[in-house]
Amino acid sequence: GESVGLHLPTLSVQEGDNSIINCAYSNSASDYFIWYKQESGKGPQFIIDIRSNMDKRQGQRVTVLLNKTVKHLSLQIAATQPGDSAVYFCAENGGGATNKLIFGTGTLLAVQP
Amino acid sequence: KAGVTQTPRYLIKTRGQQVTLSCSPISGHRSVSWYQQTPGQGLQFLFEYFSETQRNKGNFPGRFSGRQFSNSRSEMNVSTLELGDSALYLCASSLSTRGAYNEKLFFGSGTQLSVL
Repeated sequence: GESVGLHLPTLSVQEGDNSIINCAYSNSASDYFIWYKQESGKGPQFIIDIRSNMDKRQGQRVTVLLNKTVKHLSLQIAATQPGDSAVYFCAENGGGATNKLIFGTGTLLAVQP
Repeated sequence: KAGVTQTPRYLIKTRGQQVTLSCSPISGHRSVSWYQQTPGQGLQFLFEYFSETQRNKGNFPGRFSGRQFSNSRSEMNVSTLELGDSALYLCASSLSTRGAYNEKLFFGSGTQLSVL
């Protein structure tokens, strides 16, 4: 499959610290990217998106950075809170006119009080 | 505004049976996509519907099918269930004004299917 199920990497941070979650995407033709948060027992929740004509986009407490040269995305969460604990997925569109998303394997963010 | 609604929330079936899952998109959203989520394969795209037509399809066998109704509601069907079909099936919708692509995709909570 396009999304390989590997051991889920974990990022452990202290409450109040900033978190940076990284993602290497696979297709250099991808021009639309989304970050999702998934809590246990729930579907993925939209956080923020970015198009390839931008290299940075900010939302509420979150910033997404896109480096097309090395095919890298990062999600920065400011002042991390216990409610931010979840699995975070990056997704790419593979390029072109499509609503199909290709998901990464995810990163588990564990916020320590 | 209500989010994406999927029913049922849980399903238990036996091998060889078939199953139909239902999805109601966010009001006004015209594109509906389906994804399968498993611990081993992660999130994988099944298919997308827009204006009652399948617009894109993932790499799943023909046992997996779907449809979309005129009110944008969608169903997916899996026939001749196999143990490996046990998964969380997620529906997502996007606005797709005038058929646009690459827009925010919003997910429902999913249907957890267990095949025994």
